[in-house]
Amino acid sequence: KAGVTQTPRYLIKTRGQQVTLSCSPISGHRSVSWYQQTPGQGLQFLFEYFSETQRNKGNFPGRFSGRQFSNSRSEMNVSTLELGDSALYLCASSRGSNTEAFFGQGTRLTVV
Amino acid sequence: GENVEQHPSTLSVQEGDSAVIKCTYSDSASNYFPWYKQELGKRPQLIIDIRSNVGEKKDQRIAVTLNKTAKHFSLHITETQPEDSAVYFCAASISASKIIFGSGTRLSIRP
Repeated sequence: KAGVTQTPRYLIKTRGQQVTLSCSPISGHRSVSWYQQTPGQGLQFLFEYFSETQRNKGNFPGRFSGRQFSNSRSEMNVSTLELGDSALYLCASSRGSNTEAFFGQGTRLTVV
Repeated sequence: GENVEQHPSTLSVQEGDSAVIKCTYSDSASNYFPWYKQELGKRPQLIIDIRSNVGEKKDQRIAVTLNKTAKHFSLHITETQPEDSAVYFCAASISASKIIFGSGTRLSIRP
């Protein structure tokens, strides 16, 4: 079966712009989590969605937001981009709580 | 606060020797502890996980131990091979919908 798919794979944006990243989970998976990965900070939890509801949120500013659609696909949006937002953004899908999370390949965002 | 600490940040072992990575977590309610391996340029992949009702779990050369009282858990890799070289992340579930990762351990296997 198809794995977790993230689009686009690479993005270059200018400071102040906004960006939308997409994540298509494995079929049947209703939970989608988003992480920011940087060399110095590891994997930082952004938020988690289940059945179109945000169940949990990490310690990121309000510029970071997300949503989930009825087909479990999820998007995350970052507004007013800053240089420090440059990172690999990973999403992971799972069937539910405390089950294996499968990661996508990530979207590498560069803010210039 | 919610925190998972991981040590060491880098580890180099001779091929065939064992490697041990240790993590501590802060939330006593955590009940699910997965370990992920991330090879260079690739996505993280689950290698083993353990739940709080189990003290130890083994899968071939990989084993994980959990001490709930001390809030410690560890990954043990025996008979290391070159393909074990990667970054390893421990993680702990803070709630059913939030998994917090450690900062990662870069493991290098010396031939």
